[in-house]
Amino acid sequence: DGGITQSPKYLFRKEGQNVTLSCEQNLNHDAMYWYRQDPGQGLRLIYYSQIVNDFQKGDIAEGYSVSREKKESFPLTVTSAQKNPTAFYLCATSGTSGSFSYNEQFFGPGTRLTVL
Amino acid sequence: QKEVEQNSGPLSVPEGAIASLNCTYSDRGSQSFFWYRQYSGKSPELIMFIYSNGDKEDGRFTAQLNKASQYVSLLIRDSQPSDSATYLCAVNMRTDSNYQLIWGAGTKLIIKP
Repeated sequence: DGGITQSPKYLFRKEGQNVTLSCEQNLNHDAMYWYRQDPGQGLRLIYYSQIVNDFQKGDIAEGYSVSREKKESFPLTVTSAQKNPTAFYLCATSGTSGSFSYNEQFFGPGTRLTVL
Repeated sequence: QKEVEQNSGPLSVPEGAIASLNCTYSDRGSQSFFWYRQYSGKSPELIMFIYSNGDKEDGRFTAQLNKASQYVSLLIRDSQPSDSATYLCAVNMRTDSNYQLIWGAGTKLIIKP
């Protein structure tokens, strides 16, 4: 069964804690992305990776970190430095890297993070 | 500044009518354009993409692209209550060394039975 999985679906964090959100894909896609979505707003890019062991900051990378040790996996850590982390986090993949102009992305089901 | 603009809505359309969703973008050199549907609490799903000027039809959905006017639209014919969702427009724009999908904030569509 091909697709993108994200876990957990819901996550609660106390202030000052780091938490890691999982994203796994078996689509054999090269590129992976993390977005943040706040209520009533569009998607904002946090980090993206076009190839294993390489990743770039997006528009709102402060307070977040990522790794890309395997093609299938792109975990996102929300650190205590992120002052307002409550949001809906979406992982996406693309079969082509960012060097191509045709860049349709496919999304996992998302993780809803709430800071208590 | 690379931007994609959408009217936030809500856009209310009677069941069976045509819903028209619009999107403008800032980068004249953009080559590919996408429409995603997002139900409340769910992740976006791709419903249409278009690369060339003109119309592209897929079932009840038609995407229209006018590169000269930097305008892309989505028409939904015979609107159904199940079409009620937020529709996100995304445009692939060139950055310094790459291409990046730039997202609009979405238009909330409500189909009234």
